[in-house]
Amino acid sequence: QVQLVESGGGVVQPGTSLTLSCATSGFTFSTYPMHWVRQAPGRGLECVAVISYDGSSKHYADSVRGRFTISRDNSNNTLYLQINSLRAEDTAVYYCARAQVDGYNQIDYWGQGTLVAVSS
Amino acid sequence: DVVMTQSPLFLPVTLGQPASISCRSSESLVHSDGNTYLNWFHQRPGQSPRRLIYKVSNRDSGVPDRFSGSGSGTDFTLKISRVEAEDIGVYYCMQGSHWPPTFGQGTKVEIQ
Repeated sequence: QVQLVESGGGVVQPGTSLTLSCATSGFTFSTYPMHWVRQAPGRGLECVAVISYDGSSKHYADSVRGRFTISRDNSNNTLYLQINSLRAEDTAVYYCARAQVDGYNQIDYWGQGTLVAVSS
Repeated sequence: DVVMTQSPLFLPVTLGQPASISCRSSESLVHSDGNTYLNWFHQRPGQSPRRLIYKVSNRDSGVPDRFSGSGSGTDFTLKISRVEAEDIGVYYCMQGSHWPPTFGQGTKVEIQ
């Protein structure tokens, strides 16, 4: 079955950088667009980045553009999110999510999430 | 960004009774390809969201038929015909017709 397993979260200081990973299995990773979605404590859900199946197209939310970089390694079925210049407002659970082959923004499966806590 | 507004934000329900959640978008969700990319997700406490409904009214595999979605344009509804105990949690609508995809604030469903 489809599995998405995030890692790389933790407690980090403001201004530092972090890279999240999402290991996938159970589907042909190289044919699916992928998203990163975050959920701040007690708040709703926010899509922060999406990448096309082959990595040629990327889009970012205005709130993270210039600081976040989404990438993928189709040979290792892994999705990444590099976060630079971390801010307190970046504190959230970060989910890796798969989108449908025929729907760039049609998220269907989610990972269990990894918590990023930005604190001095 | 497209603003998604859900109501109510808190929904006390009785087991075996129907329940309904409304979702409105700040602009039409009809995509240029003719589809309407409105989805519903359910998030149980401590879990990641699970998609229930896609493109307004299509149930995902394994979703009980007591869940149904309807609507068009900017107004959408999720209905549960008979609430069961496992239906508690937070329900989110999400639009995928415009970048970035945006979610409603969530409707917390609890058994009263």
